[in-house]
Amino acid sequence: DAGVTQSPTHLIKTRGQQVTLRCSPKSGHDTVSWYQQALGQGPQFIFQYYEEEERQRGNFPDRFSGHQFPNYSSELNVNALWLGDSALYLCASCRGTVTDTQYFGPGTRLTVL
Amino acid sequence: GDSVTQMEGPVTLSEEAFLTINCTYTATGYPSLFWYVQYPGEGLQLLLKATKADDKGSNKGFEATYRKETTSFHLEKGSVQVSDSAVYFCALDGSARQLTFGSGTQLTVLP
Repeated sequence: DAGVTQSPTHLIKTRGQQVTLRCSPKSGHDTVSWYQQALGQGPQFIFQYYEEEERQRGNFPDRFSGHQFPNYSSELNVNALWLGDSALYLCASCRGTVTDTQYFGPGTRLTVL
Repeated sequence: GDSVTQMEGPVTLSEEAFLTINCTYTATGYPSLFWYVQYPGEGLQLLLKATKADDKGSNKGFEATYRKETTSFHLEKGSVQVSDSAVYFCALDGSARQLTFGSGTQLTVLP
């Protein structure tokens, strides 16, 4: 049973560029959430997708956007990158219920120079 | 809003010592509570969870009890091993339908 997978593993960008991160949920899961984890801190919720729509959003600017595909996979897009966007980006999946356990992928390490 | 306050580290213990990592929370309603562990260079792994008051979550020798009266979910292990060295995160899934995490506690176990 494949778990949550993310690509790429690492990414280096320069300020002002745009980036797309990808996530495939665990088999049987239909809900995908994205989190940003800055170095030495706990993950911060970015947004959650269910049935191809953004269901919930955290305190992140509109530069952060996403998409969910019919096969439940998801993308996180960040425009106009700045140094503060450097972080580990984590994807988590679960079934559609509110209290179901979220399972995390290994993350994508984004470095903005 | 929801929040989690976690015992700050780093925590350094000798092998076979007793571990406690404190976690308290603020949330409306009846959140589910979780402990996640993060090994170096990896994502988060679910360690244990509890979904209602007085529930005890347990896994791999770790335990935590959901205490509604004290809004706490402290993590304990009777005898830690070197392989337990990692960062531990307390989290809640509350009315906002998203996980809220504490700041994490770095645990180092020395042989």
